[in-house]
Amino acid sequence: EVQLEESGGDLVQPGGSLRLSCSASGFTLTSYTMHWVRQAPGKGLEWVSYISSYSHTRYYADSVKGRFTISRDNAKNSLYLQMNSLRAEDTAVYYCARGFCSSASCSSLDSWGQGTLVIVSS
Amino acid sequence: QSVLTQPPSVSAAPGQKVTISCSGGSSNIGNNYVSWYQQLPGAAPRLLIYDNNKRPSGIPDRFSGSKSGTSATLGITGLQTGDEADYYCGTWDSSLNVGVFGTGTQVTVL
Repeated sequence: EVQLEESGGDLVQPGGSLRLSCSASGFTLTSYTMHWVRQAPGKGLEWVSYISSYSHTRYYADSVKGRFTISRDNAKNSLYLQMNSLRAEDTAVYYCARGFCSSASCSSLDSWGQGTLVIVSS
Repeated sequence: QSVLTQPPSVSAAPGQKVTISCSGGSSNIGNNYVSWYQQLPGAAPRLLIYDNNKRPSGIPDRFSGSKSGTSATLGITGLQTGDEADYYCGTWDSSLNVGVFGTGTQVTVL
């Protein structure tokens, strides 16, 4: 069974840093691209970041570019999100999600973790 | 910031049909495949439709998807109380190299 489990969410002060982790099981991480998606309280989904299978390519939303860094350790079956210079507007549940490639495209997210809550507040 | 526009809410009686629209542009929906996600209250999102109209294993055929130009549509037939959830469209924006989601639509079964 495919499972993704996020951890590392916490209450942090504005300007602070936090590192989120996502532990993957039930599949070979090297075979998949991975994403982070967040959801502010009562709001919709916001895509945050993407990383290719062997970390050669990384993309970020403008809202986090220069502050967040996505990384992965395939040997440890883990995905990470280093978040620096945190702002109140970064408050959200952060989900890790597995990228799915069909024969036609690679634009879907077929498995999601349960999320970890990050609160940025003084 | 969502670049795909959805209606905030739709509703219908049990057994009826609802459709949810998703409007984007040439760099996202116009040139990429669309996915749809269901988010039940308090739960993580779940993939409902990929590649515009394909259903992952385990998704009933009451759910369908289509795309035309820069818009996509999710259809739900035989509406059930268990379908009450938020639904999001999603795709990739090839110009910006970012993922994009719709604004989300809340489905209510009357």
